[in-house]
Amino acid sequence: GAGVSQTPSNKVTEKGKYVELRCDPISGHTALYWYRQSLGQGPEFLIYFQGTGAADDSGLPNDRFFAVRPEGSVSTLKIQRTERGDSAVYLCASSLDGPASGNTIYFGEGSWLTVV
Amino acid sequence: AQSVTQPDIHITVSEGASLELRCNYSYGATPYLFWYVQSPGQGLQLLLKYFSGDTLVQGIKGFEAEFKRSQSSFNLRKPSVHWSDAAEYFCAVGNSGNTPLVFGKGTRLSVIA
Repeated sequence: GAGVSQTPSNKVTEKGKYVELRCDPISGHTALYWYRQSLGQGPEFLIYFQGTGAADDSGLPNDRFFAVRPEGSVSTLKIQRTERGDSAVYLCASSLDGPASGNTIYFGEGSWLTVV
Repeated sequence: AQSVTQPDIHITVSEGASLELRCNYSYGATPYLFWYVQSPGQGLQLLLKYFSGDTLVQGIKGFEAEFKRSQSSFNLRKPSVHWSDAAEYFCAVGNSGNTPLVFGKGTRLSVIA
């Protein structure tokens, strides 16, 4: 597609449920990033993929969070046993190559997750 | 570890007035620096970036930013603000290693008539 696409745009779930958020990056982009943005805050890094592998997952807050990118394109962020504190906008971004290249990182519009 | 500070949470300017948004970074070597803008309900859009070379960088929508190593700053400027510039602005820092961007907490810009 023309830009980074994220689905769903909005998700309301009950505490304790499992959630999947999907990201479709710009075609040909090898690097894919997940960030989380809470109200009134800047984006916080979660995980970065180079191809199919997670190059850096140091931002994942705990083991309830997991992400995959099995074919090096679409990525899914998975959250188990959701908690109210997980409520935030989850942003996906992609770039032609990794962050060291300096290529522009393009962001999607985000998936707004509300845990009730 | 790298970090970014945006000292101003909220700034209000009159339409047509000049604008400067402050950004200070912490990083031991030469950083990569970025400014992004986020309008309500929209994704982050890159305004401009600095890697090396000329320390005054021109971006889209009439914005510019100047890298000042001695002050560890990368302030964003615009000579004449338009009402459509009202948005949230984020400064971010990266580097030549494969470290993902670190963002500041943002500055919300309001524009009044």
